[in-house]
Amino acid sequence: QVQLVQSGPEVKQPGASVKVSCKASGYTFTNYGISWVRQAPGQGLEWMGYISAYNGKTKYEQKFRDRVTMTTDTSTRTAHMELRSLRSDDTAVYYCARDMLQWDPVLEGYTNSFDPWGQGTLVTVSS
Amino acid sequence: QSVLTQPPSVSGVPGQRVTFSCTGSSSNIGAGFDVHWYQQLPGTAPRLLIYGNNNRPSGVPDRFSGSTSGTSASLAITGLQSEDEADYYCHSYDKSLGGFWVFGGGTKLTVL
Repeated sequence: QVQLVQSGPEVKQPGASVKVSCKASGYTFTNYGISWVRQAPGQGLEWMGYISAYNGKTKYEQKFRDRVTMTTDTSTRTAHMELRSLRSDDTAVYYCARDMLQWDPVLEGYTNSFDPWGQGTLVTVSS
Repeated sequence: QSVLTQPPSVSGVPGQRVTFSCTGSSSNIGAGFDVHWYQQLPGTAPRLLIYGNNNRPSGVPDRFSGSTSGTSASLAITGLQSEDEADYYCHSYDKSLGGFWVFGGGTKLTVL
């Protein structure tokens, strides 16, 4: 079945970097992209950015643009999200989700959902 | 402040019908972009519940349904069950400057 399995929890100090991985199985990896979404404790979902597994093109939410790098490794069918200069308010569960980024030429935007999601990776930033 | 607005909480008793609202604007739902809904059970990852406004993935009971009207979308659950207690999020695309994928703030469903 289609599945995304993420790396384990991380504890980092403020100012450090974290790299979360997301391994895909059960589908043709390069036919889709991966979006990254985070959820702070007790809060809602926040989209961070997208990467195409086909050509590596990225689209980052402006808020994270200076601190995030998303990559893929097609040989291992794995997506990675690195967040730098960590702060305490980066403490959150980070999710990857399969995103086909389906373009609608009439609406001039994207229309697809995210399915499935990884199980989440808790990143704790604390001194 | 989320681009899509959802009430923080909804409650109901078993067997009841409950609805969740998701209010957007002319740059997202009102522009015709599809709305998707996710269910997040306590301590788990979100799972796709409704896609493309009113379509259910395989395995999702027909007690769940979605609709849109103007700049808003709704999720309905009929025959409420205790295992439906979860957080529910709406999701769409926003074409305004700087916009892209956007989520609602989520609604917590309590089954009394």
